[in-house]
Amino acid sequence: AQSVTQLDSQVPVFEEAPVELRCNYSSSVSVYLFWYVQYPNQGLQLLLKYLSGSTLVKGINGFEAEFNKSQTSFHLRKPSVHISDTAEYFCAVRGFVDKFYFGSGTKLNVKP
Amino acid sequence: DADVTQTPRNRITKTGKRIMLECSQTKGHDRMYWYRQDPGLGLRLIYYSFDVKDINKGEISDGYSVSRQAQAKFSLSLESAIPNQTALYFCATTGGAADTQYFGPGTRLTVL
Repeated sequence: AQSVTQLDSQVPVFEEAPVELRCNYSSSVSVYLFWYVQYPNQGLQLLLKYLSGSTLVKGINGFEAEFNKSQTSFHLRKPSVHISDTAEYFCAVRGFVDKFYFGSGTKLNVKP
Repeated sequence: DADVTQTPRNRITKTGKRIMLECSQTKGHDRMYWYRQDPGLGLRLIYYSFDVKDINKGEISDGYSVSRQAQAKFSLSLESAIPNQTALYFCATTGGAADTQYFGPGTRLTVL
């Protein structure tokens, strides 16, 4: 069975600082990996996804993530955050039988 | 127009009442999902459907039922609502094997 662990429930960071949101997954089969963002009172939007190929994936709004198979991780990074990046971020795995497994979420709070 | 719509967006009801949440999608996808979101728990899968005749329980299906009226419509019912079903409910749809999920805006349900 697949599972997703987001180690940090909240990450406070100052504007223009770099940030890394951590995600680890467990799976016995090949997986597709996703990061979603949820702004207050909205649904989830796709930030980026890893399907195959290059382990460094670039997404929208300057975010990127690196797939590390040996460490079963898919950490999300941004070199310089903005106030508008304040949101909750979810890591997800698409596993066997087209089911998605989500982490518990990380709230990113960008301070001025 | 949004690809995935949910009605109602907000609902307050009382314990014991029957509630139906509706979802429609214009993506033309076969796969549709219902999740609930609770603070600190991420998204948990309630039911999913791969076509009109294929409906499957997710990890937390107790107390819920679904109906797939057409390829584009997937409804979630709470036969007798209870307070611990107070949550944010999301409908989603996905296409082919490498596709992401497309989420509706969510329904905030409060059971008193």
